[in-house]
Amino acid sequence: AIQLTQSPSSLSASVGDRVTITCRASQGISSALAWYQQKPGKAPKLLIYDASSLESGVPSRFSGSGSGTDFTLTISSLQPEDFATYYCQQFNSYPPFTFGPGTKVDIK
Amino acid sequence: QVQLVESGGGVVQPGGSLRLSCAASGFTFSSYGMHWVRQAPGKGLEWVAFIRYDGSNKYYADSVKGRFTISRDNSKNTLYLQMNSLRAEDTAVYYCAKDHVVVPAADAFDIWGQGTMVTVSS
Repeated sequence: AIQLTQSPSSLSASVGDRVTITCRASQGISSALAWYQQKPGKAPKLLIYDASSLESGVPSRFSGSGSGTDFTLTISSLQPEDFATYYCQQFNSYPPFTFGPGTKVDIK
Repeated sequence: QVQLVESGGGVVQPGGSLRLSCAASGFTFSSYGMHWVRQAPGKGLEWVAFIRYDGSNKYYADSVKGRFTISRDNSKNTLYLQMNSLRAEDTAVYYCAKDHVVVPAADAFDIWGQGTMVTVSS
């Protein structure tokens, strides 16, 4: 099964900062990767699919890039509502539809 | 609006059973693959099970294979998860989620329910 790792596992940032989160797959997954945002006590929310396609309604400050084994989620200017945990998920080879372990973004 | 609403969670003893339901509305339920995803307290997301739009194909995580059964009733716009032989490690919030696209293959989960808590404890 494909394994996903995320780095960092947590980070502290300030409003307005540019934030980058990395997701690495244990083998190539083409561009079959999605990113989600989850706030405490809430369901995950889809941000990015196909590695770089922005889901409808998601602010343009979120962007995704990468293919193969290395992917990034970038928040160009962190907003107060962006403090959350972010997960990547692969769709290249399943089952399972593996999630990464998550990256928690909190306030510096 | 597009919505998924889970129900059926609760407290059950180890070895017991529980059936979760997920009521869908606002989209053509019978056209989309559906999933169950769980999250143990303070932990990350774990994919549990998938069922094809017509119920003809099902996948399970190794951790639940042989104990959980996913099913759907397209006439009732409802997804189910039958959970048997429950263990303490099955304690989690269980979410149902919808495939982002109809065909040709899943590329994301675009709609999620609010989750239902399952606690396995004596």
